Amino acid sequence: EADIYQTPRYLVIGTGKKITLECSQTMGHDKMYWYQQDPGMELHLIHYSYGVNSTEKGDLSSESTVSRIRTEHFPLTLESARPSHTSQYLCASSHRRQGDEQYFGPGTRLTVT
Amino acid sequence: AQTVTQSQPEMSVQEAETVTLSCTYDTSESNYYLFWYKQPPSRQMILVIRQEAYKQQNATENRFSVNFQKAAKSFSLKISDSQLGDTAMYFCAFMGRIQGAQKLVFGQGTRLTINP
Repeated sequence: EADIYQTPRYLVIGTGKKITLECSQTMGHDKMYWYQQDPGMELHLIHYSYGVNSTEKGDLSSESTVSRIRTEHFPLTLESARPSHTSQYLCASSHRRQGDEQYFGPGTRLTVT
Repeated sequence: AQTVTQSQPEMSVQEAETVTLSCTYDTSESNYYLFWYKQPPSRQMILVIRQEAYKQQNATENRFSVNFQKAAKSFSLKISDSQLGDTAMYFCAFMGRIQGAQKLVFGQGTRLTINP
């Protein structure tokens, strides 16, 4: 399996709370991504980064924000969680020297009550 | 806009049988990559196989092979001698330059069940 980690794996939290989902990789990949996936459904890109201090919004609008201060770390933050944020969040990374093949983390399953 | 379509939401076969999962895509690009990813229940998404659009030869990885028809924009996955561990969601994905950035676009997925 790929060396990309996400914490927590499962999170149940109340409405209005601020949460940060962690993602880190030890492969030295320059590119990192966040996807949102409802159960049994396709993945939608919500954020991506091509390097330190570089972040872009993806194809699916999201109220979350991201930061990329270190190459290996790409956290996602929700300032005020809502039930509509309930979903699975998958982090991935890639490197152009490896054909941009994306390696995925195990995901964080978020439930907002 | 690039789109990926998987027309089989669910499939079920007996162990040791061969199964083919369908995928079509739409793009105006000539250089791109195609992937099949496997997502087992409650487990990590992993890459099964990749195909570069400029290669005519179909990719093969052990029991997994693809039938890449570039003109028809079709990219099916064949699993031979299926095993119980092949039970998973399978996602077809296209990677190309979208709005100036190299991005992956996923299909809706096919839930494959291998029965003993």
